[in-house]
Amino acid sequence: DAKTTQPPSMDCAEGRAANLPCNHSTISGNEYVYWYRQIHSQGPQYIIHGLKNNETNEMASLIITEDRKSSTLILPHATLRDTAVYYCIVPGTSGSRLTFGEGTQLTVNP
Amino acid sequence: NAGVTQTPKFQVLKTGQSMTLQCAQDMNHEYMSWYRQDPGMGLRLIHYSVGAGITDQGEVPNGYNVSRSTTEDFPLRLLSAAPSQTSVYFCASSNLYEQYFGPGTRLTVT
Repeated sequence: DAKTTQPPSMDCAEGRAANLPCNHSTISGNEYVYWYRQIHSQGPQYIIHGLKNNETNEMASLIITEDRKSSTLILPHATLRDTAVYYCIVPGTSGSRLTFGEGTQLTVNP
Repeated sequence: NAGVTQTPKFQVLKTGQSMTLQCAQDMNHEYMSWYRQDPGMGLRLIHYSVGAGITDQGEVPNGYNVSRSTTEDFPLRLLSAAPSQTSVYFCASSNLYEQYFGPGTRLTVT
């Protein structure tokens, strides 16, 4: 699995966009980038994944740089319920074996 | 569609006791896994299974056994509980890209 680096914590105002960065400089050409989040004491929740192109779903957008060495998860209009630990994961050839680092604690403030 | 269910939600064991944590999924996923999460840390993979009858070790397998007799069920057995196994245990099932996590079992070993 490629190592990922995330800031330990971030703050965001409610209603504003939250941009969570992740560095994965050792990623190889066929490895996906996954994002999960864990709201206090609950099981982690899948958010989004991508390979090369930017991806968007109902929860978030994922922007991957052209060299694929970093990515940004964007929550377009953060709410208080988005307060959680966000994990950026590069698990190898499939999304089935995940290695969780310490993630980024996102706090959305009113 | 219940997703991934885990029982019990809470358990207290004495050192040396054994028990089985239950996990079931109704999504017909081949891949299932068990993680543990210690306070303030990310999840660590204990054991995983790629289908009925097939299991393998993850990052922290010592002290735990698993078996997979059906697609739906993936129980985790603690052979002789130790205080170091005090943790929150999450079960997950996966299609190729997304992992779905259960609500967790909070285990305390005294």
